[in-house]
Amino acid sequence: AQKVTQAQTEISVVEKEDVTLDCVYETRDTTYYLFWYKQPPSGELVFLIRRNSFDEQNEISGRYSWNFQKSTSSFNFTITASQVVDSAVYFCALSANYNTDKLIFGTGTRLQVFP
Amino acid sequence: NAGVTQTPKFRILKIGQSMTLQCTQDMNHNYMYWYRQDPGMGLKLIYYSVGAGITDKGEVPNGYNVSRSTTEDFPLRLELAAPSQTSVYFCASSYDSKRGYTFGSGTRLTVV
Repeated sequence: AQKVTQAQTEISVVEKEDVTLDCVYETRDTTYYLFWYKQPPSGELVFLIRRNSFDEQNEISGRYSWNFQKSTSSFNFTITASQVVDSAVYFCALSANYNTDKLIFGTGTRLQVFP
Repeated sequence: NAGVTQTPKFRILKIGQSMTLQCTQDMNHNYMYWYRQDPGMGLKLIYYSVGAGITDKGEVPNGYNVSRSTTEDFPLRLELAAPSQTSVYFCASSYDSKRGYTFGSGTRLTVV
């Protein structure tokens, strides 16, 4: 079975704080992909990052960074110096079937950044 | 490029009515998907297609039907709408698993 768990339902921070969104996944496949999507209040889903199971290097993109650890089946997302515009629901997702690319989503973490 | 286009953006249906949610992509993606998002929940897969003429059920297919006669179009049909189908529906497409999905802007459906 494949599953994605985002245990943090909602997080509130004040602007300029760092915040980490947790994602734990389950799969028996050895080849899989992990994703993060952002859903701002306007409702669209915005692709942020994809990692494959063979690449455990951390990735940094501006204020965003991702920590992939196969040993703990986690793919955590950190926003440094958060801004009000970061307020959104963030979804972690898993694709573990190469032939169909079906994405399994976590339930999302709502991040509210206050000025 | 338009990406993934969904119509309509909003719709109110009465119980028992039927409707088709349209989804078109212009990226020549083979894979297309329909998800629903209920309040406070993640996205649940309704149906998916790996190419024209091929469709398969996802996690929550009951009450829905799809067809894929062309690469570009993947309409979702609701027959006999029920209040439980009140949700936001997202269509998505992908070229392969290495590149992630491109999502449409969603259709907010209310069944009353």
